[in-house]
Amino acid sequence: DQQVKQNSPSLSVQEGRISILNCDYTNSMFDYFLWYKKYPAEGPTFLISISSIKDKNEDGRFTVFLNKSAKHLSLHIVPSQPGDSAVYFCAGGHSGTYKYIFGTGTRLKVLA
Amino acid sequence: DAMVIQNPRYQVTQFGKPVTLSCSQTLNHNVMYWYQQKSSQAPKLLFHYYDKDFNNEADTPDNFQSRRPNTSFCFLDIRSPGLGDAAMYLCATSSGALGEKLFFGSGTQLSVL
Repeated sequence: DQQVKQNSPSLSVQEGRISILNCDYTNSMFDYFLWYKKYPAEGPTFLISISSIKDKNEDGRFTVFLNKSAKHLSLHIVPSQPGDSAVYFCAGGHSGTYKYIFGTGTRLKVLA
Repeated sequence: DAMVIQNPRYQVTQFGKPVTLSCSQTLNHNVMYWYQQKSSQAPKLLFHYYDKDFNNEADTPDNFQSRRPNTSFCFLDIRSPGLGDAAMYLCATSSGALGEKLFFGSGTQLSVL
């Protein structure tokens, strides 16, 4: 059972435009979500998080939106830069378990 | 800098030959995790420790074992690696507080010949 789904395996965006990466989840117990970026041959690095009590969190060029009723998150990157080209993972977790379940990732390519 | 360190970065083993991957952390975090990631797939949680309390995922094969001798170190032992165990193995840590992010190491890419 895939509790976290990223249905777009890849996305290409022009430099300076907005990148929107989507994530859906099925586990209604999730109360915290994380986004990570991963370059080849490196470990994932943390980008931004959101608690289920919020519907938006912003950090510089990165904004995450949460729609609990739809069990859907999106990560917006504005403006996109070539250095943003990487694989992006979302993960859901719930209190008391210390565990996060990851999606399959979306490969973002920002074209110069 | 405080960090999560995995050794080695690349590991080659033979089919059926036991192999151990190591992870150390300087963050003094309570929780340590092992994830397995195969190409184009989600990182899959194998198990995690909260302090010395071991938590195995239900679908983690018995072939995979782990040890955490102290707060700083955690090991992943693969007793009899098969070709299907070739993957990137990621170690991560967390303080265990609600919403605390995971800090990942650079991973160990395991090849099985």
